[in-house]
This record gives sequence, C-alpha cells and structure tokens, in this order.
Amino acid sequence: GQQVMQIPQYQHVQEGEDFTTYCNSSTTLSNIQWYKQRPGGHPVFLIQLVKSGEVKKQKRLTFQFGEAKKNSSLHITATQTTDVGTYFCADRNAGGTSYGKLTFGQGTILTVHP
Amino acid sequence: DAGVIQSPRHEVTEMGQEVTLRCKPISGHDYLFWYRQTMMRGLELLIYFNNNVPIDDSGMPEDRFSAKMPNASFSTLKIQPSEPRDSAVYFCASSATGEHSPLHFGNGTRLTVT
Repeated sequence: GQQVMQIPQYQHVQEGEDFTTYCNSSTTLSNIQWYKQRPGGHPVFLIQLVKSGEVKKQKRLTFQFGEAKKNSSLHITATQTTDVGTYFCADRNAGGTSYGKLTFGQGTILTVHP
Repeated sequence: DAGVIQSPRHEVTEMGQEVTLRCKPISGHDYLFWYRQTMMRGLELLIYFNNNVPIDDSGMPEDRFSAKMPNASFSTLKIQPSEPRDSAVYFCASSATGEHSPLHFGNGTRLTVT
C-alpha cells in the first residue's frame, strides 16, 4: 500500500456547519476506501472510489476522487451530532506482492457541538 | 452473518506475560488483517493473510509479536513477552477477494499491559 496523508487531524464544528477531510498521496492510488469509526467503536466501511474524477453521494456525504487519482475528499453538508467520529481514507493495493494490502490514513477526528 | 468475531474484548495483563488475541473471520472471506490502534500512531497494519498464508508482516513491531492462521476460520495474534507499550486496541478484519472489497472489522480487543 501507498502512504496517504490525511488532513486535518481534528475538526470541531457547530451543528449545521459543513465539514471536509482530505487525503493526498504523492503517487497514484489504486482506489480509495472511506471508513467511519464512532467513538469506542470499530471502523465501518462507507464507500469506495475507483475511477479518476469519480464523485459519489450518500445523503449528506459527498466523496470525490481526484482526476490524477492522487487525492480524495469527503464532504459532509450540514453536520449533525450523529456524524461525530473519526473518518479514515485507505488505499487498497491492486498489484504486486502486496496485493490486497489496505493502508489507512491518519484519520480526521470530527466533533460536532450542538 | 455474525461478522468478524474477536476475543477477548478486554485484556489486562502484567508486563512479561503472554497474551493471545483471537479472531474468527467472516465465512468465505479469504483475506484477514490484524491492525493495532493507538492515539499516537493511528491504525497500523501489523500483518495480513490471504488464504491462510501471511502475505506481508512488515508491520509486526518485533519478534515478540507473532500471528498464525491455521485454517480459514481462525487466527491468533500472540505477544510474548508483553510490555506496557503494547497497550492498544487490536482489530481483526476480513474481506473477500479483490482490491475493491471492503474490510469488515471486529469489535477489537482492548489490551492493557501494566
């Protein structure tokens, strides 16, 4: 897997505000998977992006994959307290001796103040 | 489907003792991953298996750590001897074949070494 850098590390928002987290890589990513981990819980798969420039939506969540497949973003519109948690991007290796290896970014911890 | 099952949920042990963590992957999944999570280092991949064979163990911290997968439905992660710096949450995850397959995580084992 390749190293993915994720920013910001922390984000505090008021309920109703928008939130965005970014993943960046110096090399081309095979594909990007996004996970959410609630406090005290385990990572749960949200979505996968495979194609260059791909955009997917899940209700208030919008996921994008960069044209060069070197960056990705997750945007939440009008945050709610239920959005609290840590959001991870992850690169899953699609070739070579480490086929299938999944490497996580550092994660962005989102807190939402009611 | 019962999901990925890990045991124990919590483990408290004294420095120098042997610790064994257990994992039962989802039936039919042929990839199994062991991750360690701490505040300082985030989600670290320790080792992963494909069809019971270790593919990449470069994340295993040192010789005190070992992992086995004797069959498709069981894996262990052993730490011997344990040290306080091993305190963390250890997650097991499994997935089906293919770089597009998501990982399914267990609830984790919270290890405390005193």
